Amino acid sequence: DAKTTQPTSMDCAEGRAANLPCNHSTISGNEYVYWYRQIHSQGPQYIIHGLKNNETNEMASLIITEDRKSSTLILPHATLRDTAVYYCIVRGFTDKLIFGTGTRLQVFP
Amino acid sequence: DTEVTQTPKHLVMGMTNKKSLKCEQHMGHRAMYWYKQKAKKPPELMFVYSYEKLSINESVPSRFSPECPNSSLLNLHLHALQPEDSALYLCASSHNRGARTEAFFGQGTRLTVV
Repeated sequence: DAKTTQPTSMDCAEGRAANLPCNHSTISGNEYVYWYRQIHSQGPQYIIHGLKNNETNEMASLIITEDRKSSTLILPHATLRDTAVYYCIVRGFTDKLIFGTGTRLQVFP
Repeated sequence: DTEVTQTPKHLVMGMTNKKSLKCEQHMGHRAMYWYKQKAKKPPELMFVYSYEKLSINESVPSRFSPECPNSSLLNLHLHALQPEDSALYLCASSHNRGARTEAFFGQGTRLTVV
C-alpha cells in the first residue's frame, strides 16, 4: 500500500472549516483513500473514503486531486469535539490496514 | 449495529500470568484485526483474520496468540508478557478484505503488565 504524508499538527477555530491535507504520491489505480480519526483514548473512527471522485457524508467531505496524488479532508464547521488525531490511509486489495503518524487537530474556542 | 465490543476494558497482569482479550462483532464481518497502540503513537497492526483463518501475522512474538473461534469472535491470548507490552489493544472488523470496505474499531483494552 502507498505511503501517506500528513502535517504533524494543525489548529482550527471552532465554527470554521478544518482542511486536513494528505500526500499519497505513490498511490496506484486500485487504491482507495481512507480517513479515520481517533479521539483521545478511544478506538479509531471511520470518517470517509474515496477512489477518485470527491465524496461527502454527514461527517466530512473528501477532495481528491485529479492526479490522485493528494487529498484533503474537510470538516465544514469544526467543533471542540472534533479535536482528535486524523489518519489518512491508502488501502488496496490487501488484508492490511496500516496507520501512518496522522495529524493532531486542535479545535479552539 | 456497528459495534465492536472488547472486553475487558482494563487489565492488569503479572509477567507470569495467562490472560485473554476478547473481541466480538455481530455485523457479519469476515475480516477481523488486532492492533497494539502505545501512547502518542499510531496503532500498529498485529494480526488479521480473514474468513476465520489467520492471513497476516506482523512478526508478533509468540507470547501473543490469536484465535478466531467463529466469525463473530476474536481472542488474543497473552502469556509471559513483559512490561513493555503494556499498551492499548484494539480490535477491528470489516465486511471483508479489500479496498472498498471500512473498518470498525472497538474501544480497546488497556493492558498493564507489572
